[in-house]
Amino acid sequence: EIVLTQSPDTLSLSPGERATLSCRASETLTNNYLAWYQQIPGQAPRLLMIGASNRATGIPDRFSGSGSGTDFTLTISSLEPEDFAVYYCQQYSRALITFGQGTRLEIK
Amino acid sequence: AQLVESGGGLVRPGKSLTLSCAASGFDFRNLYMAWVRQAPGKGLEWVSYITYTSSEKHYAPSVSGRFTISRDNRKNSLSLQMSGLRVDDTAMYYCAALGSRDNYMEVWGRGTMVTVSS
Repeated sequence: EIVLTQSPDTLSLSPGERATLSCRASETLTNNYLAWYQQIPGQAPRLLMIGASNRATGIPDRFSGSGSGTDFTLTISSLEPEDFAVYYCQQYSRALITFGQGTRLEIK
Repeated sequence: AQLVESGGGLVRPGKSLTLSCAASGFDFRNLYMAWVRQAPGKGLEWVSYITYTSSEKHYAPSVSGRFTISRDNRKNSLSLQMSGLRVDDTAMYYCAALGSRDNYMEVWGRGTMVTVSS
């Protein structure tokens, strides 16, 4: 099983600031098969990024993804009020899919 | 694209429950489908996924041997049969459509809550 470790657990920032979220895999992900999701409390998750760096349909360009191998990053260039949520990474390199534990992005 | 889950509820430990997911607005028969769960206040946990023709089914170790995923492409529906339920199976269960080429969760339902308690 590939273990994904996200950091930090909680990130406190203000609107307009830049957010950097990290996801580390316990082994190399084939073809950078990593996705990012956003979950607002009480709602279903929403797909943000696939293949580590490709925005899903309708995702604003303030969201960007980077990384390869075992280390991946989700960056939000300038936080909007609606961006404060929990973010999860997910690997699909193996048939046994796994998620990271999540990073909570809260308003400072 | 829309996914609507049903079948959740309160069930005793050791008992069985079947969840359903109705799909509409997309080409259901040509996408893999999955179940993902989230225990109250916890993170996301992948449960199972099934390929287009049901030729392959994959399960998380925590549910393998107890849960069975199935689909009916004529009815655009997905199911999850859960048996031997345990207290730690208590969660919101989401149905998801996977990407057309890879196993990321592109479309999500709103979920159905399963509570296992005596």
